[in-house]
Amino acid sequence: QKEVEQDPGPLSVPEGAIVSLNCTYSNSAFQYFMWYRQYSRKGPELLMYTYSSGNKEDGRFTAQVDKSSKYISLFIRDSQPSDSATYLCAMKTGGGNKLTFGTGTQLKVEL
Amino acid sequence: DAMVIQNPRYQVTQFGKPVTLSCSQTLNHNVMYWYQQKSSQAPKLLFHYYDKDFNNEADTPDNFQSRRPNTSFCFLDIRSPGLGDAAMYLCATSRDRGRNTEAFFGQGTRLTVV
Repeated sequence: QKEVEQDPGPLSVPEGAIVSLNCTYSNSAFQYFMWYRQYSRKGPELLMYTYSSGNKEDGRFTAQVDKSSKYISLFIRDSQPSDSATYLCAMKTGGGNKLTFGTGTQLKVEL
Repeated sequence: DAMVIQNPRYQVTQFGKPVTLSCSQTLNHNVMYWYQQKSSQAPKLLFHYYDKDFNNEADTPDNFQSRRPNTSFCFLDIRSPGLGDAAMYLCATSRDRGRNTEAFFGQGTRLTVV
C-alpha cells in the first residue's frame, strides 16, 4: 500500500464547475499538507499549505484536512480552462524534510 | 524573477555518458532537494542538503551523486545514465527544517537517454 493515494484521473469538468480533488494517506505522523499544481512539462507550483486539521481558503481554492480520517481535499470554485493541470498532494511529518507525494490527478477544464 | 532555476531545461545524453544537471536559487534557503519524476508518477526524493549536510535516501542508487559548493548552487551528477534514468529531475528549496518548510520547485530538467 502506498503511503499516499490519489486518483490519477483524468478528470474533465465544464468551465465554472466546482472541482473536488482528494488524497488519502496511511501515515498518522504526517502533520503538514500541501497541494501543488503542475502544468505539462513544468515544475510543481505550491498552491496551498496547511498544518494539521482544518480548512484554509485562498481565492477560488479551499484546502481541507481531516486527520481523523487521514483524508485531504482541494476544492476549486468557478473552475477555468487555465486550471487545467495535474494537481499533486504532498505531505510531511513534523520533524522531517521529506515530502511524500501522491501521483497527481490530471484535471481538464473545458469551455 | 525566477527563484529556483534549473539548467538546462532539456538534456539529451548517451547511455553510460556522465551528465550533470544544475540548480541555483535566489531565496537563500538552507535546504535544497533533488527529486526524480517519471511519467505519470509522483516525484521521488533522491537526496537533500541541509546547508552542507548531505542526506541520501536509502533507495537512491549509487549512480546518483550530488554536490553543493555554496548556498546558491546544487548539482546532480549521474555517473552512468541508463535508459531507466530518463525522467524529469526537479530541484526544490525550503527555508529550514522547522514549520516554515514549504518547498519551492524549479521548472525541472527533462533528461532523455539515448
